[in-house]
Amino acid sequence: EVQLVESGGGLVQPGGSLRLSCAASGFTFSTSWMHWVRQAPGKGLVWVSRINSDGTSTNYADSVKGRFNISRDNAKDTLSLQMSSLRAEDTAVYYCARGASARFEHWGQGILVTVSS
Amino acid sequence: QSALTQPASVSGSPGQSITISCTGTSSDVGAYNYVSWYQQHPGKAPKLLIFDVNKRPSGVSIRFSGSKSGNTASLTISGLQAEDEADYYCSSYTSSSTLIFGGGTKLTVL
Repeated sequence: EVQLVESGGGLVQPGGSLRLSCAASGFTFSTSWMHWVRQAPGKGLVWVSRINSDGTSTNYADSVKGRFNISRDNAKDTLSLQMSSLRAEDTAVYYCARGASARFEHWGQGILVTVSS
Repeated sequence: QSALTQPASVSGSPGQSITISCTGTSSDVGAYNYVSWYQQHPGKAPKLLIFDVNKRPSGVSIRFSGSKSGNTASLTISGLQAEDEADYYCSSYTSSSTLIFGGGTKLTVL
């Protein structure tokens, strides 16, 4: 069974940094594209970033480019999202998702990030 | 980049069919056959229903089907059931090598 478990969320002040992690199991992590998708409270889904299977290719939404960095450790089956210069509008539930380059086949349960003073 | 355009809400009675539209541009929906649809129940993670415009993952009911014409993709749910009441999102690959979602559609089963 595919499992994706996010961690590292919480409350952070504007301008601060936070690192999210996603522990993967139940599938061959090293051959899967991985994505981060977020959802602000009461709002819709927003794609954040993706990384290819070996970590050599990454893409970002314009709203986070230059502030967020996606990475992966295929030896530890772990996906990460380093977030810096956080803003109030980054407040959301962040989902880790496994899929192909352009779809999300399995989702984690999500982790809440709150940016507030 | 603006979100793909979906109706905010749709409704139907049990047994009926409904269609949710997803309108993009020639740089996303119209350019690629990489449109997907997701179902999200309150407080839950989304679930993939349709990928590559009209393909169903294993385990997804045949009541769900997808199509595309030009810059608009559509999700049709036939034989509406109470458990289909949820939010539905489309997504597409874009010419900027990014992905984009629609704003979401709330389905009410009357």
